Amino acid sequence: AQSVTQPDIHITVSEGASLELRCNYSYGATPYLFWYVQSPGQGLQLLLKYFSGDTLVQGIKGFEAEFKRSQSSFNLRKPSVHWSDAAEYFCAVGPSNAGGTSYGKLTFGQGTILTVHP
Amino acid sequence: KAGVTQTPRYLIKTRGQQVTLSCSPISGHRSVSWYQQTPGQGLQFLFEYFSETQRNKGNFPGRFSGRQFSNSRSEMNVSTLELGDSALYLCASSPGGTSGTSTDTQYFGPGTRLTVL
Repeated sequence: AQSVTQPDIHITVSEGASLELRCNYSYGATPYLFWYVQSPGQGLQLLLKYFSGDTLVQGIKGFEAEFKRSQSSFNLRKPSVHWSDAAEYFCAVGPSNAGGTSYGKLTFGQGTILTVHP
Repeated sequence: KAGVTQTPRYLIKTRGQQVTLSCSPISGHRSVSWYQQTPGQGLQFLFEYFSETQRNKGNFPGRFSGRQFSNSRSEMNVSTLELGDSALYLCASSPGGTSGTSTDTQYFGPGTRLTVL
């Protein structure tokens, strides 16, 4: 069964500092991968996604993520964090060959809460 | 394009009651997935509908059900509510084309916050 691990429950950074949120996945084939962000009481906003091709993907709000097959990782990065980036971040994996019990199902990590100090 | 909309945004029910939540997908999207989000269990997949058919179901009891209409709008129903059903219920829509492509990208609504007393 596929699974996603976000090792860091809570990360605190200073405004202007760089950020890296970790995500490791377990999946038998090449997955497709997502990062979502959630502000308190809100739904999930898609930051970026990886399906195939270039392993470094760019997203919205200045975020990027790198897919490393050898490490089963898809870490999210941002060179300079803004106070408005404070939120909870979720990594998710979806099946690359959906069918049967895989349709429409994303498996999420437990989330990483980002706090930004001024 | 308008995003995914969910109604109502907040709901308070008592144990034993039933509830119906509604989700309107992005125009042109045919797939709707539902998730339950709780502090203890995180985000868990409930079910997915495509062209009025349930194609996939998560590991939830039969009290949780759903349906999809011909205009792709979807509803989920929870019968005989329990305290543990208190959660944020999120729906997501995607174009629903060929699996394993960008058409599987899911876009989420703001959620319905259900509180069971």
